[in-house]
Amino acid sequence: QKEVEQNSGPLSVPEGAIASLNCTYSDRGSQSFFWYRQYSGKSPELIMFIYSNGDKEDGRFTAQLNKASQYVSLLIRDSQPSDSATYLCAVNESGGSNYKLTFGKGTLLTVNP
Amino acid sequence: NAGVTQTPKFQVLKTGQSMTLQCAQDMNHNSMYWYRQDPGMGLRLIYYSASEGTTDKGEVPNGYNVSRLNKREFSLRLESAAPSQTSVYFCASSREDEQFFGPGTRLTVL
Repeated sequence: QKEVEQNSGPLSVPEGAIASLNCTYSDRGSQSFFWYRQYSGKSPELIMFIYSNGDKEDGRFTAQLNKASQYVSLLIRDSQPSDSATYLCAVNESGGSNYKLTFGKGTLLTVNP
Repeated sequence: NAGVTQTPKFQVLKTGQSMTLQCAQDMNHNSMYWYRQDPGMGLRLIYYSASEGTTDKGEVPNGYNVSRLNKREFSLRLESAAPSQTSVYFCASSREDEQFFGPGTRLTVL
């Protein structure tokens, strides 16, 4: 059973701080990695994806991937109260036509004004 | 461009009743998925369809059936609902591995 692990939180940060969300995965053959944001009562929304080792930046968000350590993280700079949500890490293990994702259980982030 | 749509938004069933959850996408995606989300359990894949005409079991398929009616539509059927199927159900679609989700159906089985 492929596993994706996240700290459930809640992670609480003050407005303007950096929020750091972490995820580890069990399948060393995993190829692609995703971060979804889910507001309470809403559906997951894709915010970042990363395929290669290193950092990928998009606005205030940076995804970091270390395949050797089987670790992926999401940094949110200048955190805003509107960033308060559950963040889901998802992993796809194949590069072929199977596009199934395995999701972690999510980390609840609260940004305090 | 509506993306992924799901009906109904809410449903209450009695144990043993049947129902079909509908999902449609207008993004011309090949792959479609059904998930359930329960508190503390995250998103779990029920069934998926890699392309029109094919369906495969996911992590938690028992008690469910699916139909990929055409490229746009993928339905999930509960033949005899049980209280353990109380959950929020999400449909998703993807061209490759970036999945996009519908708004969800909140199902309660009494």
